[in-house]
Amino acid sequence: QKEVEQDPGPLSVPEGAIVSLNCTYSNSAFQYFMWYRQYSRKGPELLMYTYSSGNKEDGRFTAQVDKSSKYISLFIRDSQPSDSATYLCAMTDGIQGAQKLVFGQGTRLTINP
Amino acid sequence: KAGVTQTPRYLIKTRGQQVTLSCSPISGHRSVSWYQQTPGQGLQFLFEYFSETQRNKGNFPGRFSGRQFSNSRSEMNVSTLELGDSALYLCASSLARGATQYFGPGTRLTVL
Repeated sequence: QKEVEQDPGPLSVPEGAIVSLNCTYSNSAFQYFMWYRQYSRKGPELLMYTYSSGNKEDGRFTAQVDKSSKYISLFIRDSQPSDSATYLCAMTDGIQGAQKLVFGQGTRLTINP
Repeated sequence: KAGVTQTPRYLIKTRGQQVTLSCSPISGHRSVSWYQQTPGQGLQFLFEYFSETQRNKGNFPGRFSGRQFSNSRSEMNVSTLELGDSALYLCASSLARGATQYFGPGTRLTVL
């Protein structure tokens, strides 16, 4: 079993829809949680960064972390065709392995105009 | 400020050969990490360098190695290439250990 599980999709929704992306994890030492977006033939770019449990909002994006359930989510409101990409969750314990990000498999998202 | 640059962008090698990939971090960034991305395994951590020293290593065989120079530029080397080494190799830099990592575009390695 992988440390981080993410539904690979693909996920296809109409423009303007609310998108929900999720990851579960097994390592209770994880404290820092990230969402990256990766366009085809590009490297991942950081979207959201959250420490411990709680919510964080940035424009159309909201990240939620529930450490008690070992579950994190990314919500995209008013989705746009330009949001079509692969979304990767990543996490780290921030201690000895501070730089070692553990990634989910990635969810391929398509927003249809 | 320029982002992380990786060279070459594409590489084709045959089994048994060795390869060296290069990464130039964002100016001022001192930590460089390397990741391997494949369709089957996703993104996996290879190793991290800070102040020219390897600080952390993932679960990869000894054929995978790296180094960092005094200007923070980094190289990774894969010896005795296998078909399964075909992947996108990504480099990420950060200002310091534990800080946000910024990824380069990657080097796509194909092993024939």
